[in-house]
Amino acid sequence: GAVVSQHPSWVICKSGTSVKIECRSLDFQATTMFWYRQFPKQSLMLMATSNEGSKATYEQGVEKDKFLINHASLTLSTLTVTSAHPEDSSFYICSAPAGETNHEQYFGPGTRLTVT
Amino acid sequence: QKEVEQNSGPLSVPEGAIASLNCTYSDRVSQSFFWYRQYSGKSPELIMSIYSNGDKEDGRFTAQLNKASQYVSLLIRDSQPSDSATYLCAVDMLTFGGGTRLMVKP
Repeated sequence: GAVVSQHPSWVICKSGTSVKIECRSLDFQATTMFWYRQFPKQSLMLMATSNEGSKATYEQGVEKDKFLINHASLTLSTLTVTSAHPEDSSFYICSAPAGETNHEQYFGPGTRLTVT
Repeated sequence: QKEVEQNSGPLSVPEGAIASLNCTYSDRVSQSFFWYRQYSGKSPELIMSIYSNGDKEDGRFTAQLNKASQYVSLLIRDSQPSDSATYLCAVDMLTFGGGTRLMVKP
């Protein structure tokens, strides 16, 4: 159980365009999902908490107008990187809490974004 | 601000040995502790969670928690080359350490 999927697994886009990444909980409902970014050889950086039916909560330093998050249903959260620039190239990973205490995080496989 | 510290490594152990990975945390009232494994280019996967002082065993993995010392560790017995990965310690779900890279040499 507790499977999280992401789509696409990789994407290349041109500078200035927008990219949407989907995160789905396949076998459980997730009122909360998390979005992370990871640069090469660095640890996970939490970007935002996605809440079903309400606005996302962004971490300090993350531009909410650039990284649009929508939690449309109990199984789907989307991250849209707007007006992408090369410095946005990174590995984007979503997760959802599940398990006995609902504190264990189950991660999606990640989306590798390259902005040219 | 909560902090989680891990030695970045690499920690190199021979195949069949015990690998010991350590993590310290700053917030004394932290309640939940997790170990994740991340292979290069992949997303993290949960290995173990621990909430109470003492040891918790699952197969070749043992998590150890000492709240008084604010210390959590992961032991991997009979290490295999397939265990070579970065191991992330997380506290209270969202605070991650920088990870320790483990290399198991055949």
